[in-house]
Amino acid sequence: GQNIDQPTEMTATEGAIVQINCTYQTSGFNGLFWYQQHAGEAPTFLSYNVLDGLEEKGRFSSFLSRSKGYSYLLLKELQMKDSASYLCAVRDFTGGGNKLTFGTGTQLKVEL
Amino acid sequence: KAGVTQTPRYLIKTRGQQVTLSCSPISGHRSVSWYQQTPGQGLQFLFEYFSETQRNKGNFPGRFSGRQFSNSRSEMNVSTLELGDSALYLCASSLDGGYTFGSGTRLTVV
Repeated sequence: GQNIDQPTEMTATEGAIVQINCTYQTSGFNGLFWYQQHAGEAPTFLSYNVLDGLEEKGRFSSFLSRSKGYSYLLLKELQMKDSASYLCAVRDFTGGGNKLTFGTGTQLKVEL
Repeated sequence: KAGVTQTPRYLIKTRGQQVTLSCSPISGHRSVSWYQQTPGQGLQFLFEYFSETQRNKGNFPGRFSGRQFSNSRSEMNVSTLELGDSALYLCASSLDGGYTFGSGTRLTVV
């Protein structure tokens, strides 16, 4: 089966850098996604990794190590609006189709 | 371009009733997948449809079903509703592997 772990909560200061870790165990690995979700809203896409290494996209970067089953999302120059839940999701190709398996999310609180 | 549209946004049903939720994907997207989100379990995969065929199914009871039409619009149905079915139901449309989520349908079972 699939198992995805990420911290439940994190707190950081405006302007700082925060790293949210995600570890996973899965079969049929076919990519890892990070989503941001504000309360009551839909998840919005942040980043995607399928090969090892770092993907940078503005203030957000994501890293993947497939051999270690590990990813992190790095948020730089934190802003108050970054307070949200961050979801790590692994795509598996099983049963003839793809599916996303999500971690329970990391609730990030950005403080002044 | 238009995003993923889910209707209705909110729904209140009584235990034992059945409900149908609708999802219209982004134009050109042929894959639609459904997820249930609850505070305790997070986001859980229900099923995926591609070109009117169910390609994958999550670990939910048979009360949960779905279908996809030739225009890629999808519906999911939950029969004999239980209190535990109260959740946010999200659909995601996909093209080439990226997933865009709709705003969801908030179902409350009383």
